[in-house]
Amino acid sequence: AQSVAQPEDQVNVAEGNPLTVKCTYSVSGNPYLFWYVQYPNRGLQFLLKYITGDNLVKGSYGFEAEFNKSQTSFHLKKPSALVSDSALYFCAVRSRGTSGAGSYQLTFGKGTKLSVIP
Amino acid sequence: NAGVTQTPKFRILKIGQSMTLQCTQDMNHNYMYWYRQDPGMGLKLIYYSVGAGITDKGEVPNGYNVSRSTTEDFPLRLELAAPSQTSVYFCASSSGGTSGGLGTQYFGPGTRLLVL
Repeated sequence: AQSVAQPEDQVNVAEGNPLTVKCTYSVSGNPYLFWYVQYPNRGLQFLLKYITGDNLVKGSYGFEAEFNKSQTSFHLKKPSALVSDSALYFCAVRSRGTSGAGSYQLTFGKGTKLSVIP
Repeated sequence: NAGVTQTPKFRILKIGQSMTLQCTQDMNHNYMYWYRQDPGMGLKLIYYSVGAGITDKGEVPNGYNVSRSTTEDFPLRLELAAPSQTSVYFCASSSGGTSGGLGTQYFGPGTRLLVL
């Protein structure tokens, strides 16, 4: 079974400072990895994904994530945080090796609340 | 292109009542999903569909039913509402195949349901 862990329920960072939201995963075989963001009273929005290739993935709004196979991690980063980045962030994983009708299921972490302090 | 739309936005149900949560997507996606989101619990998959006429259970299907008569629509039915079904429900869709989103899901705005 695949799983995702987001070890921090909340991350606080000052505006202008770099931010990191942590994610580790467990799957059979190689993973597809995703980050989503949820603003208050909204649905989840896709930020970025890792499929294959370069371990550093760039996404929307200046976010990037680094895939580390040996540490089974996919941490989300941004060089300079904005107050508008304050939201709930979800990491998700899908095993590349699965097939059949259920192969497109994503397993989500519990989410990390990011607060950027002015 | 509206993406994924859901109705209603908010609903209060009494215990034992039934209702249908509507979900429509205009992206011609084959795959559609229903999740529930509870505070601090992330998203749990209720049901999913890989195409019209094909549905399957997710992680938490008890108390729910779905149907998929068209590519666009994927309604979720609650037959006998219980307080444990108080939650925020999200519908999502994705394309499939090697040329598709490889799992990238697009979410609706959600339906907040309160069962009293």
